[in-house]
Amino acid sequence: AQSVTQLGSHVSVSEGALVLLRCNYSSSVPPYLFWYVQYPNQGLQLLLKYTSAATLVKGINGFEAEFKKSETSFHLTKPSAHMSDAAEYFCAVSGTQGGSEKLVFGKGTKLTVNP
Amino acid sequence: DAGITQSPRYKITETGRQVTLMCHQTWSHSYMFWYRQDLGHGLRLIYYSAAADITDKGEVPDGYVVSRSKTENFPLTLESATRSQTSVYFCASRYDRGNTEAFFGQGTRLTVV
Repeated sequence: AQSVTQLGSHVSVSEGALVLLRCNYSSSVPPYLFWYVQYPNQGLQLLLKYTSAATLVKGINGFEAEFKKSETSFHLTKPSAHMSDAAEYFCAVSGTQGGSEKLVFGKGTKLTVNP
Repeated sequence: DAGITQSPRYKITETGRQVTLMCHQTWSHSYMFWYRQDLGHGLRLIYYSAAADITDKGEVPDGYVVSRSKTENFPLTLESATRSQTSVYFCASRYDRGNTEAFFGQGTRLTVV
């Protein structure tokens, strides 16, 4: 079964610093991968998704993620953090073969941005 | 309005009572999902549905029942609520499997006392 592991339940950065949120997937076949963001008291919204067309994926709000098959990783980055980036971020996986109906999430990483 | 809506937004119920959480989407998406969100656990899949009258279990289905008689509705029922089911519940839908985006409702905060 596909799964994702997010390293670090809390990440704290200063405004203007690099944001790096880590996600590793578990699958013998490269799956479809997603990053979602959740602002307080809201549902989740899509930041970006990997679809095998390109290993570097650009999303909304200046975020991007790089798919690395050799490391089974799909880490999320942003060059310069903004206060408005404070939220919880979830990595998710959907299979390309059996089980592709499911969308399974990691445990989330809460990002704090300090002024 | 187009979108996915959950009702109620907040619910307090007593242990042992049956409670149903509603989810409605206007896009005619094939796939619908129910998740629960708990501190330290992220989002865990309860049930999902690939089409009307087709449902399947997720990671944590015990104590929950779903039905999908119409494409646009996917209610989640707690047959006999327990305190461990206190959580925030999210419904989501997506057009297809694989790499298609899922759209989420605003969530239902359920407290079982």
